[in-house]
Amino acid sequence: QVQVQESGPGLVKPSETLSLTCTVSDYSISNSDHHWGWIRQSPGKGLEWIATIYYTGKTYYNPSLKSRVTISLDTSKNQFSLKLSSMTAADTAVYYCARFLGPTGPDYWGPGTLVTVSS
Amino acid sequence: QAVVTQEPSLTVSPGGTVTLTCDSSIGAVTDGHYPYWFQQKPGQAPRTLIFDTSHKHPWTPARFSGSLLGDKAALTLSGAQPEDEADYYCLLSYTGARPVFGGGTKLTVL
Repeated sequence: QVQVQESGPGLVKPSETLSLTCTVSDYSISNSDHHWGWIRQSPGKGLEWIATIYYTGKTYYNPSLKSRVTISLDTSKNQFSLKLSSMTAADTAVYYCARFLGPTGPDYWGPGTLVTVSS
Repeated sequence: QAVVTQEPSLTVSPGGTVTLTCDSSIGAVTDGHYPYWFQQKPGQAPRTLIFDTSHKHPWTPARFSGSLLGDKAALTLSGAQPEDEADYYCLLSYTGARPVFGGGTKLTVL
């Protein structure tokens, strides 16, 4: 059964760039059947889709975050990553990585990692 | 960007039936929005229950079903159990494969 696990800093300073990595186990991210993506959830709030990527490198971004977000793949490590620049307190959230059934939505979710933006 | 609307909260009696809905600010919800439904319990990651309107994963309890109801997507829980108390989110996909989550429904089993 596929497993996805987020890793990265729990604390980021304002204006810095957040870098998160998702390690995928028991499934190849080069498999053409699925996409890979990131979703976040601010404390006590709802879910927000951030970005999705396909093994070909095709990317999809949330228009509200597009200017600050980069999603990428590292097939040699079976990982994919998220970079979010110019972090502010509003970006404080639990960040989830997930396998997507297509570009439309996730099936397997990681446990999430809390990222706090504070000086 | 589209806004996806769900009931903020609902209550169901144990053993009862409840329907949660998912509405789009841009026209009727159709199969072309590939509606998803997720369950999230406190302190846990969401779990995908339904995809593509009505398809279930192997782990989805049989008492959950997805459908289109009028102009909305719907999640029906038949025979509610105490462990079904959770937040439920829907997700709709729009042009350019840009999914939008609903605000979530807090379901109480009481």
